[in-house]
Amino acid sequence: AQKVTQAQTEISVVEKEDVTLDCVYETRDTTYYLFWYKQPPSGELVFLIRRNSFDEQNEISGRYSWNFQKSTSSFNFTITASQVVDSAVYFCALANRDDKIIFGKGTRLHILP
Amino acid sequence: DAGVTQSPTHLIKTRGQQVTLRCSPISGHKSVSWYQQVLGQGPQFIFQYYEKEERGRGNFPDRFSARQFPNYSSELNVNALLLGDSALYLCASSFVGEQYFGPGTRLTVT
Repeated sequence: AQKVTQAQTEISVVEKEDVTLDCVYETRDTTYYLFWYKQPPSGELVFLIRRNSFDEQNEISGRYSWNFQKSTSSFNFTITASQVVDSAVYFCALANRDDKIIFGKGTRLHILP
Repeated sequence: DAGVTQSPTHLIKTRGQQVTLRCSPISGHKSVSWYQQVLGQGPQFIFQYYEKEERGRGNFPDRFSARQFPNYSSELNVNALLLGDSALYLCASSFVGEQYFGPGTRLTVT
Protein backbone atom coordinates (compact mmCIF):
# COMPACT_ATOMS: atom_id res chain seq x y z
CA ALA A 1 0.00 0.00 0.00
CA GLN A 2 1.10 3.53 -0.65
CA LYS A 3 1.06 6.12 2.08
CA VAL A 4 2.33 9.62 2.77
CA THR A 5 2.81 10.88 6.30
CA GLN A 6 3.22 14.52 7.22
CA ALA A 7 3.66 14.39 10.96
CA GLN A 8 3.59 18.15 11.45
CA THR A 9 -0.03 19.27 11.45
CA GLU A 10 0.71 22.95 12.01
CA ILE A 11 3.88 25.04 12.26
CA SER A 12 4.34 28.69 13.18
CA VAL A 13 7.57 30.58 12.63
CA VAL A 14 8.54 34.22 12.65
CA GLU A 15 9.26 35.83 9.31
CA LYS A 16 12.83 35.36 8.02
CA GLU A 17 13.31 32.13 9.93
CA ASP A 18 14.05 28.91 8.05
CA VAL A 19 11.47 26.14 8.29
CA THR A 20 11.51 22.49 7.23
CA LEU A 21 8.39 20.50 6.44
CA ASP A 22 8.77 16.76 6.89
CA CYS A 23 7.41 14.07 4.61
CA VAL A 24 7.77 10.30 4.92
CA TYR A 25 6.38 7.97 2.30
CA GLU A 26 5.69 4.25 1.88
CA THR A 27 5.56 2.36 -1.39
CA ARG A 28 6.54 -1.04 -2.74
CA ASP A 29 7.12 0.31 -6.24
CA THR A 30 10.64 0.90 -7.46
CA THR A 31 9.45 3.59 -9.85
CA TYR A 32 7.49 6.38 -8.26
CA TYR A 33 7.21 10.15 -8.13
CA LEU A 34 7.16 12.54 -5.23
CA PHE A 35 5.51 15.94 -5.21
CA TRP A 36 5.04 19.02 -3.11
CA TYR A 37 2.02 21.27 -3.58
CA LYS A 38 1.12 24.56 -1.91
CA GLN A 39 -2.50 25.40 -1.13
CA PRO A 40 -3.03 29.06 -0.21
CA PRO A 41 -6.31 30.23 1.34
CA SER A 42 -7.79 30.62 -2.14
CA GLY A 43 -7.86 26.82 -2.33
CA GLU A 44 -6.01 26.21 -5.58
CA LEU A 45 -3.24 23.61 -5.45
CA VAL A 46 0.00 25.08 -6.72
CA PHE A 47 2.57 22.63 -8.10
CA LEU A 48 6.01 23.14 -6.55
CA ILE A 49 8.13 20.14 -7.50
CA ARG A 50 8.09 16.60 -8.88
CA ARG A 51 10.95 14.14 -8.38
CA ASN A 52 11.27 10.62 -9.69
CA SER A 53 12.58 7.77 -7.57
CA PHE A 54 15.81 7.46 -9.54
CA ASP A 55 16.91 11.01 -8.96
CA GLU A 56 18.09 11.60 -5.40
CA GLN A 57 19.79 14.87 -6.11
CA ASN A 58 18.68 17.66 -3.84
CA GLU A 59 17.03 20.57 -5.55
CA ILE A 60 17.05 24.28 -4.86
CA SER A 61 14.71 26.83 -6.36
CA GLY A 62 15.18 30.28 -4.91
CA ARG A 63 14.27 30.12 -1.23
CA TYR A 64 12.90 26.59 -1.60
CA SER A 65 14.94 23.42 -1.33
CA TRP A 66 14.08 19.75 -1.22
CA ASN A 67 15.97 16.85 0.34
CA PHE A 68 15.13 13.40 -1.04
CA GLN A 69 16.56 10.42 0.86
CA LYS A 70 15.48 6.95 -0.30
CA SER A 71 17.29 5.33 2.64
CA THR A 72 14.84 6.93 5.05
CA SER A 73 11.90 7.26 2.58
CA SER A 74 11.79 10.98 3.19
CA PHE A 75 11.27 13.99 0.97
CA ASN A 76 11.61 17.08 3.13
CA PHE A 77 10.97 20.65 2.07
CA THR A 78 12.82 23.67 3.45
CA ILE A 79 11.89 27.31 3.06
CA THR A 80 14.79 29.65 3.75
CA ALA A 81 14.18 33.18 5.01
CA SER A 82 10.43 32.63 5.22
CA GLN A 83 7.99 35.34 4.20
CA VAL A 84 4.38 36.00 5.17
CA VAL A 85 3.33 35.03 1.62
CA ASP A 86 4.60 31.52 2.33
CA SER A 87 1.71 30.99 4.73
CA ALA A 88 -0.37 28.15 3.32
CA VAL A 89 -1.06 24.45 3.63
CA TYR A 90 1.65 22.33 2.05
CA PHE A 91 1.01 18.83 0.78
CA CYS A 92 3.53 16.13 0.10
CA ALA A 93 2.31 13.50 -2.37
CA LEU A 94 3.31 10.23 -4.01
CA ALA A 95 2.37 8.69 -7.36
CA ASN A 96 3.33 5.54 -9.17
CA ARG A 97 3.38 5.15 -12.92
CA ASP A 98 -0.38 5.43 -13.31
CA ASP A 99 -0.48 9.07 -12.15
CA LYS A 100 -2.88 8.43 -9.26
CA ILE A 101 -1.59 10.80 -6.59
CA ILE A 102 -1.71 9.92 -2.92
CA PHE A 103 -1.60 13.02 -0.74
CA GLY A 104 -0.53 13.44 2.84
CA LYS A 105 -2.81 15.28 5.25
CA GLY A 106 -0.88 18.49 4.84
CA THR A 107 1.07 20.85 7.08
CA ARG A 108 -0.43 24.25 7.80
CA LEU A 109 2.37 26.81 7.88
CA HIS A 110 1.93 30.18 9.56
CA ILE A 111 4.58 32.82 8.97
CA LEU A 112 4.23 35.51 11.61
CA PRO A 113 5.28 39.08 10.77
CA ASP B 1 -2.02 29.42 -22.16
CA ALA B 2 -5.08 28.94 -19.98
CA GLY B 3 -4.73 26.63 -17.02
CA VAL B 4 -7.21 24.00 -15.91
CA THR B 5 -10.67 25.49 -15.64
CA GLN B 6 -13.57 24.20 -13.56
CA SER B 7 -17.20 25.17 -13.31
CA PRO B 8 -19.10 26.14 -11.35
CA THR B 9 -16.95 27.76 -8.66
CA HIS B 10 -19.44 27.19 -5.89
CA LEU B 11 -22.55 25.08 -5.64
CA ILE B 12 -25.16 24.47 -2.98
CA LYS B 13 -27.34 21.39 -3.23
CA THR B 14 -29.82 19.58 -1.04
CA ARG B 15 -29.45 16.00 0.19
CA GLY B 16 -30.68 13.51 -2.39
CA GLN B 17 -30.09 15.78 -5.37
CA GLN B 18 -27.68 15.15 -8.20
CA VAL B 19 -24.78 17.37 -9.28
CA THR B 20 -22.54 17.67 -12.35
CA LEU B 21 -19.14 19.33 -12.16
CA ARG B 22 -17.14 20.29 -15.24
CA CYS B 23 -13.46 20.49 -16.05
CA SER B 24 -11.46 21.66 -19.05
CA PRO B 25 -7.83 20.54 -19.13
CA ILE B 26 -4.83 22.47 -20.28
CA SER B 27 -4.58 22.47 -24.05
CA GLY B 28 -2.68 19.39 -25.19
CA HIS B 29 -3.31 17.41 -22.01
CA LYS B 30 -5.21 14.19 -22.63
CA SER B 31 -5.50 12.94 -19.06
CA VAL B 32 -7.91 14.28 -16.47
CA SER B 33 -8.18 13.24 -12.84
CA TRP B 34 -10.74 14.13 -10.17
CA TYR B 35 -10.06 14.53 -6.47
CA GLN B 36 -12.23 15.22 -3.44
CA GLN B 37 -10.85 17.35 -0.62
CA VAL B 38 -12.89 17.54 2.55
CA LEU B 39 -12.06 20.27 5.03
CA GLY B 40 -8.80 19.71 6.86
CA GLN B 41 -7.70 16.75 4.75
CA GLY B 42 -5.56 16.14 1.71
CA PRO B 43 -7.21 15.53 -1.66
CA GLN B 44 -8.41 11.99 -2.31
CA PHE B 45 -8.34 10.40 -5.75
CA ILE B 46 -11.73 9.68 -7.32
CA PHE B 47 -11.17 8.98 -11.04
CA GLN B 48 -8.65 9.25 -13.83
CA TYR B 49 -9.50 9.36 -17.52
CA TYR B 50 -7.17 9.17 -20.47
CA GLU B 51 -8.31 9.40 -24.07
CA LYS B 52 -11.94 8.96 -22.90
CA GLU B 53 -11.17 5.71 -21.10
CA GLU B 54 -11.30 5.24 -17.34
CA ARG B 55 -7.80 4.40 -16.16
CA GLY B 56 -8.32 4.42 -12.44
CA ARG B 57 -10.96 4.65 -9.76
CA GLY B 58 -10.53 5.45 -6.09
CA ASN B 59 -12.48 4.10 -3.16
CA PHE B 60 -15.72 5.96 -3.79
CA PRO B 61 -19.28 4.59 -4.04
CA ASP B 62 -21.08 4.05 -7.33
CA ARG B 63 -22.95 7.30 -6.77
CA PHE B 64 -19.84 8.91 -8.22
CA SER B 65 -19.34 8.66 -11.98
CA ALA B 66 -17.40 10.54 -14.61
CA ARG B 67 -16.75 10.74 -18.29
CA GLN B 68 -14.35 12.39 -20.70
CA PHE B 69 -15.33 13.93 -23.99
CA PRO B 70 -13.50 13.91 -27.36
CA ASN B 71 -12.10 17.38 -26.60
CA TYR B 72 -10.66 15.91 -23.35
CA SER B 73 -12.94 17.92 -21.07
CA SER B 74 -14.57 15.95 -18.32
CA GLU B 75 -17.63 15.81 -16.11
CA LEU B 76 -17.98 14.39 -12.62
CA ASN B 77 -21.48 13.35 -11.56
CA VAL B 78 -22.59 12.63 -8.05
CA ASN B 79 -26.04 11.16 -7.43
CA ALA B 80 -28.12 10.99 -4.26
CA LEU B 81 -26.01 13.60 -2.49
CA LEU B 82 -25.15 13.13 1.16
CA LEU B 83 -24.03 15.74 3.68
CA GLY B 84 -20.62 14.06 3.63
CA ASP B 85 -20.18 14.88 -0.04
CA SER B 86 -19.61 18.52 0.92
CA ALA B 87 -16.05 19.20 -0.20
CA LEU B 88 -13.77 20.94 -2.66
CA TYR B 89 -13.69 18.94 -5.90
CA LEU B 90 -10.45 19.34 -7.78
CA CYS B 91 -9.71 18.47 -11.36
CA ALA B 92 -6.18 17.91 -12.59
CA SER B 93 -4.86 17.57 -16.09
CA SER B 94 -1.58 15.86 -16.72
CA PHE B 95 1.05 15.50 -19.35
CA VAL B 96 4.04 13.16 -18.97
CA GLY B 97 3.29 12.75 -15.29
CA GLU B 98 3.07 16.37 -14.22
CA GLN B 99 -0.37 17.14 -12.82
CA TYR B 100 -1.75 20.65 -12.75
CA PHE B 101 -4.83 21.40 -10.69
CA GLY B 102 -7.74 23.67 -11.36
CA PRO B 103 -9.22 26.08 -8.80
CA GLY B 104 -11.83 23.56 -7.74
CA THR B 105 -15.58 23.53 -7.25
CA ARG B 106 -16.75 23.96 -3.70
CA LEU B 107 -19.86 21.84 -3.16
CA THR B 108 -22.02 22.34 -0.11
CA VAL B 109 -24.78 19.83 0.59
CA THR B 110 -27.47 20.96 3.03
